Amino acid sequence: DVVLTQTPPTLSATIGQSVSISCRSSQSLLQSNGNTYLHWLVKRPGQSPQLLIYSVSRLESGVPNRFSGSGSGTDFTLKISGVEAEDLGVYYCVQGSHAPWTFGGGTKLELK
Amino acid sequence: EVLLQQSGAELVRPGSSVKISCKASGYNLTDHYMHWVKQRPEQGLVWIGRINPANGNTVYAEKFKNKATLTADKSSNTAYMQLSSLTSEDTATYFCTRSGYFDYWGQGVTVTVSS
Repeated sequence: DVVLTQTPPTLSATIGQSVSISCRSSQSLLQSNGNTYLHWLVKRPGQSPQLLIYSVSRLESGVPNRFSGSGSGTDFTLKISGVEAEDLGVYYCVQGSHAPWTFGGGTKLELK
Repeated sequence: EVLLQQSGAELVRPGSSVKISCKASGYNLTDHYMHWVKQRPEQGLVWIGRINPANGNTVYAEKFKNKATLTADKSSNTAYMQLSSLTSEDTATYFCTRSGYFDYWGQGVTVTVSS
């Protein structure tokens, strides 16, 4: 199975600060069709997970553009340009390039 | 508007089974795979498996192959997951989520296994 390693496990930020989360895969997520199925979700307390970024860098409809994704192959990054209070939660990367789908361990974003 | 409405919380005995539902509205169930995800208290998200509602084809994570059974009823636009031989390790919240992009999620069903 593909192992996704997220760093850091915990992130403390002030409002307005820009932060990045890394997601490294144990194998390339680039499929032969040219697609890379690496997505980013956030799980806020008491809520269902929410899709933020799909296919590495595509912003889901309705998600603020302070969220951005980048990367290729085995290394991927989620960036939040200017953290807001509502961004607190646990961020997960998830891959669907290779069955079974697997999640990263999560990165908890806290306010400093 | 796409909605995934899951059934209510369950309190079940060890060794028993439970079947939870995920009713889709705002789209045709057969147009997208349905995935299921587990989250134990204070732990991360774990992928259970997925079903293609159009033909019933399923794929499971190895650790759930003898634990979860995914089905779908096209007539009611509803997906189901049955969990069997329940233990305390199955106490968790279970989510259904649409497609391999996880673009829509149900509200989650809390299953508590306790005698």
